[in-house]
Amino acid sequence: SQKIEQNSEALNIQEGKTATLTCNYTNYSPAYLQWYRQDPGRGPVFLLLIRENEKEKRKERLKVTFDTTLKQSLFHITASQPADSATYLCALDLETGGFKTIFGAGTRLFVKA
Amino acid sequence: NAGVTQTPKFRVLKTGQSMTLLCAQDMNHEYMYWYRQDPGMGLRLIHYSVGEGTTAKGEVPDGYNVSRLKKQNFLLGLESAAPSQTSVYFCASDLTGLAHNEQFFGPGTRLTVL
Repeated sequence: SQKIEQNSEALNIQEGKTATLTCNYTNYSPAYLQWYRQDPGRGPVFLLLIRENEKEKRKERLKVTFDTTLKQSLFHITASQPADSATYLCALDLETGGFKTIFGAGTRLFVKA
Repeated sequence: NAGVTQTPKFRVLKTGQSMTLLCAQDMNHEYMYWYRQDPGMGLRLIHYSVGEGTTAKGEVPDGYNVSRLKKQNFLLGLESAAPSQTSVYFCASDLTGLAHNEQFFGPGTRLTVL
């Protein structure tokens, strides 16, 4: 069956460290992969998109990698801050027909001061 | 520029009651979506629309109906609410529906069905 897996356990890290979140998928061949941030009681907000032919994408303190062989994306936040505490969702974009975007359940990140 | 707005923010229904959730966007986006989000699960697509006057079923459409009479509005209806429809509902929109477009989400509606 098709699955997207994100770590269901919360990730707790110390301020200033690098947070690394994982998104694994099976039986999909996404053309793109997106990462969203969701704060409690709010809707998701788009952060980054990476294409299947890109290995890495950066935006300020954020870095995303995409390994289509391992079927995995890693999302890094360097020099993390308490304000980075949120839930991070990965989403696969499929270019074939049917449902366009498939979302993972998200990983909750807590950054301690 | 308000982006995507949803009303109401919270609602409690009794089993069998009906209601309509309203989504509005002011970005002139063609595509609009209704998702539900349940604990431990990813956002699941209920229905979507590729333009004014058109709607299509998503992954979990049963028990819901939608309408898009105006480009900027997308309504989600629950005909006869069931406890299984207790969830947080998000509306989203994007410009063209192409796979690499980011989606803009509303703040959500928390619905409880007793």
